[in-house]
Amino acid sequence: KAGVTQTPRYLIKTRGQQVTLSCSPISGHRSVSWYQQTPGQGLQFLFEYFSETQRNKGNFPGRFSGRQFSNSRSEMNVSTLELGDSALYLCASSPGLAYNEQFFGPGTRLTVL
Amino acid sequence: DAKTTQPPSMDCAEGRAANLPCNHSTISGNEYVYWYRQIHSQGPQYIIHGLKNNETNEMASLIITEDRKSSTLILPHATLRDTAVYYCIVRVAVGNQFYFGTGTSLTVIP
Repeated sequence: KAGVTQTPRYLIKTRGQQVTLSCSPISGHRSVSWYQQTPGQGLQFLFEYFSETQRNKGNFPGRFSGRQFSNSRSEMNVSTLELGDSALYLCASSPGLAYNEQFFGPGTRLTVL
Repeated sequence: DAKTTQPPSMDCAEGRAANLPCNHSTISGNEYVYWYRQIHSQGPQYIIHGLKNNETNEMASLIITEDRKSSTLILPHATLRDTAVYYCIVRVAVGNQFYFGTGTSLTVIP
């Protein structure tokens, strides 16, 4: 079974632009969560989607948004990029809610210049 | 938000047991203790979890104190491939969000 895939793996943008990141969960998994990892703040929870509905949201500004499609694939969008948005964005999937194990993808490395 | 305290770094000799401590003094009765690790440039990987009993799997053992205010992850025979950042997390079994702290950077020394 293929693992979680994220595209693109690397991305360079400039301040003020917007970006869309994509995540394909493991086949059969219906829950997708997004995390941001930076050297200063560590791993921080962004949001979680299940059955195309956002179930939980972390403490991030409204510039960060996401969605999930009927095939469980998910995208996250960051608008009006700031330098501080430079980070590794990780996606994780699990079969459903309240599962013990989340399966993480390799991440998308976003650099904002 | 993270509810755990871990030492920032530890060393362990290859082949020896690595004991990684975690304090979670404000843990609630319905919160589980989870351990994940992140090897450089990869996504985090699940290791083990528990509620109040000690747990063991093929990767590690988890020892939770009787008052549940602290726990220890034990890697019985550390190898160089166990060099990683280890995260101790507490969460309720509702929803999938994990609040990672800063973790412990474990270096296994040859």
